[in-house]
This record gives sequence, structure tokens and C-alpha cells, in this order.
Amino acid sequence: AQSVSQHNHHVILSEAASLELGCNYSYGGTVNLFWYVQYPGQHLQLLLKYFSGDPLVKGIKGFEAEFIKSKFSFNLRKPSVQWSDTAEYFCAVIPRNTGFQKLVFGTGTRLLVSP
Amino acid sequence: DSGVTQTPKHLITATGQRVTLRCSPRSGDLSVYWYQQSLDQGLQFLIQYYNGEERAKGNILERFSAQQFPDLHSELNLSSLELGDSALYFCASSVAGGVSGNTIYFGEGSWLTVV
Repeated sequence: AQSVSQHNHHVILSEAASLELGCNYSYGGTVNLFWYVQYPGQHLQLLLKYFSGDPLVKGIKGFEAEFIKSKFSFNLRKPSVQWSDTAEYFCAVIPRNTGFQKLVFGTGTRLLVSP
Repeated sequence: DSGVTQTPKHLITATGQRVTLRCSPRSGDLSVYWYQQSLDQGLQFLIQYYNGEERAKGNILERFSAQQFPDLHSELNLSSLELGDSALYFCASSVAGGVSGNTIYFGEGSWLTVV
């Protein structure tokens, strides 16, 4: 079945450590890719998105992600995490051949940053 | 603040009851989406409306229904509630309804607890 996979369900890091969260999707066609963040008790917020062009996209709060088409991946990175980055991170995909904007989410990765 | 408004923020109700969740999209957005977030199922797409018409259906139960009104606000009706319906229900909106690369913005969600 077509899906979005986030292999790391829980990640624990110390402040200033580097972060990389994996995201793989199984759609064969063209896709739009997103990373959303959900801080404790809050709604989903868009971190960054990729539609086309430069596969390395920069988002808010120092996050970036790289689209690697050959690997069907869109990994999220941050060089140095902060305690305030503690949140749940969702990768999401819109397959362009569906004709509508149905966001398909991964299962999420819970990041805990210890001070 | 994403501009998407959801009410109520929290709701506790008994099994077998019916509730209505309300969503006002961002100003200018024609498309409304409903998502369910639960511990066991993660983030699931329920249904999408575009300018008053149903555009796409996801994993929405037959006990659930939705509509989008002429003023573009939307309501999600949940009936014959079961314990397993306890979840966070997100509404989201975007300018368009097709695969155009529009960003989808999420509301803060409505916490439903069925007891």
C-alpha cells in the first residue's frame, strides 16, 4: 500500500546535538512533500515544504530537508537542536496524481531534547 | 495562529451520543479538510470539501458526516459515538482544492473524549 514511513518513533537528544529524522514515501509519481511540527498541546504547524526546484529546502526555526528522488526520501535536519524543539514531527506527502490535496501523514516522530 | 478556527476545543460526551465539531477556514480559503489524530491510528484524513462540495473522502466512518456551508465554514458530525472515537479532530484549510501546491493550514483541533 502507498504510504509514508517515519522509522524513528522516538528520538532523545541533548541540546546542541544534530538532528536527522527520516521520511520515506512509497508513491511512484510526482509528490509534494511537507514536514509539520506539533508542539505539546498545540496544533500542527508547517515547518517546510517541497514542490519543485532545489531539493534542499530551508524552513523555519533552522530546519531544512533534502528531497532525494531516487531514494523516495525527504529527511528533516537541524544542525543544533534546542530544548524548545521538543515536539512531534510529521512528514506528509501529497501525491500529485490523486487530483486533490490529500495529505498523507507518516506516523510521527517524538523528539525530546534534554537541556 | 494559523487562521483556522475550531470549536469546541474540548468536548466530553457519553457513548451513543452525537456531537458536532465546527471549523472556520482561513479567510479566502475555499477548501476545508478534516483529520482525526488518535494514539493508535495516527493522523488520518477523513474528508475534504471545496467550495461547498465534497471533494475527497478518506477513512471516514459511516457514523460520521460533514458539510461545508455557503459561508465556507464546515461541520463534522459524529454520531453513535464509541469509546474508540476519542481523538483530536483537526480541521485544515487551503486556498484551492486541487493539486496546486497550496499549503494546508491546520486549526488547533477539537479534543473529543467519549466516556
